Amino acid sequence: AQTVTQSQPEMSVQEAETVTLSCTYDTSESNYYLFWYKQPPSRQMILVIRQEAYKQQNATENRFSVNFQKAAKSFSLKISDSQLGDTAMYFCAFMRGMNGNEKLTFGTGTRLTIIP
Amino acid sequence: DTAVSQTPKYLVTQMGNDKSIKCEQNLGHDTMYWYKQDSKKFLKIMFSYNNKELIINETVPNRFSPKSPDKAHLNLHINSLELGDSAVYFCASSQDLVAFTYEQYFGPGTRLTVT
Repeated sequence: AQTVTQSQPEMSVQEAETVTLSCTYDTSESNYYLFWYKQPPSRQMILVIRQEAYKQQNATENRFSVNFQKAAKSFSLKISDSQLGDTAMYFCAFMRGMNGNEKLTFGTGTRLTIIP
Repeated sequence: DTAVSQTPKYLVTQMGNDKSIKCEQNLGHDTMYWYKQDSKKFLKIMFSYNNKELIINETVPNRFSPKSPDKAHLNLHINSLELGDSAVYFCASSQDLVAFTYEQYFGPGTRLTVT
């Protein structure tokens, strides 16, 4: 079974600073996907960024980027130039396989607060 | 345009009652899911359906019964509600990898409170 670990329950950072959220996972699968989801107080789950395990290049989406270390089974999220709207719970998630219809296994989340 | 919708958004009911939550997606996706988020914010898969066929059924009490009348709808019926069923229930959908889109898109969630 796969497990996802987020070791930082809470983090806070000043607006405009850069913050990195940690995520490690454990799997014996060779084909899988990793995701970061954001859950603001509205409780909507919003996909932030995704990474295919077979790609060596780290994914980026505007101010969001990941550091994917496959051998170390690490998948951290970096948020640059943080904004007040980034305040939310952030969940790291793992999906095995190549079918695209597998379940997501989530970490326990990191509550990020951006301080004005 | 709503992609994945759930009704109701809030549901307050008493122990022992039976209730249903409905989910609809207009994305043309093949697979739909139910996740439960507990009071500590932990998210866990409950069920998934692919083209109306049950493909994932995690360890969930049999008081919970999903039903998929067509691939755009996945409903969750809960019998004999218990206090521990209080949670936020999320519906999600995704498309098979053959279409190269495999992200799961989530509905707004249904907050169920059992008193």
